[in-house]
Amino acid sequence: DGGITQSPKYLFRKEGQNVTLSCEQNLNHDAMYWYRQDPGQGLRLIYYSQIVNDFQKGDIAEGYSVSREKKESFPLTVTSAQKNPTAFYLCASSGGPITDTQYFGPGTRLTVL
Amino acid sequence: RKEVEQDPGPFNVPEGATVAFNCTYSNSASQSFFWYRQDCRKEPKLLMSVYSSGNEDGRFTAQLNRASQYISLLIRDSKLSDSATYLCVVITGTGGFKTIFGAGTRLFVKA
Repeated sequence: DGGITQSPKYLFRKEGQNVTLSCEQNLNHDAMYWYRQDPGQGLRLIYYSQIVNDFQKGDIAEGYSVSREKKESFPLTVTSAQKNPTAFYLCASSGGPITDTQYFGPGTRLTVL
Repeated sequence: RKEVEQDPGPFNVPEGATVAFNCTYSNSASQSFFWYRQDCRKEPKLLMSVYSSGNEDGRFTAQLNRASQYISLLIRDSKLSDSATYLCVVITGTGGFKTIFGAGTRLFVKA
């Protein structure tokens, strides 16, 4: 089956710890994205990557880091510098230009204890 | 003014009703427009793209009005399974890529 997978589905972290969220796609898409969603708010773009070994900051990149060493993978690290990390994190990919349709993974719910 | 605005609702409608949502955007240079559907605690799923010429898919019709800077979604003959949050998405590709999601409109369809 082609698609986007994210793991884990639920993640609990102690304050001050870094944590890495996984995102893998087998759609052969060039572009990948990370968003966070907070209750009652729209999705906000954290980082995006249009091609391997290249990525750009989105609107709320502070406290996050990413890498894009492989086309299929775009992991997101939530660092201890992120002040309010508890949120629903969604990874997406698109096959064409960055204005193309984005397809989402099932998301990871991160809770900081 | 928010870059993309949606009425949060909720819209409560009976089965079989027709319901319409609007979404306004502020950047006249916006290039791509989409409607997504999001069920509770799930990921958004693409419902349809929005074109100036209109786009219809079964009971769903989407329209783009560039002059007034809004997109619309019309759902005819509502089903219980249409209950969800509907997100509009606007992408601006000039001067730097920017994807903006609306906060969503909640729809409840009742028997």
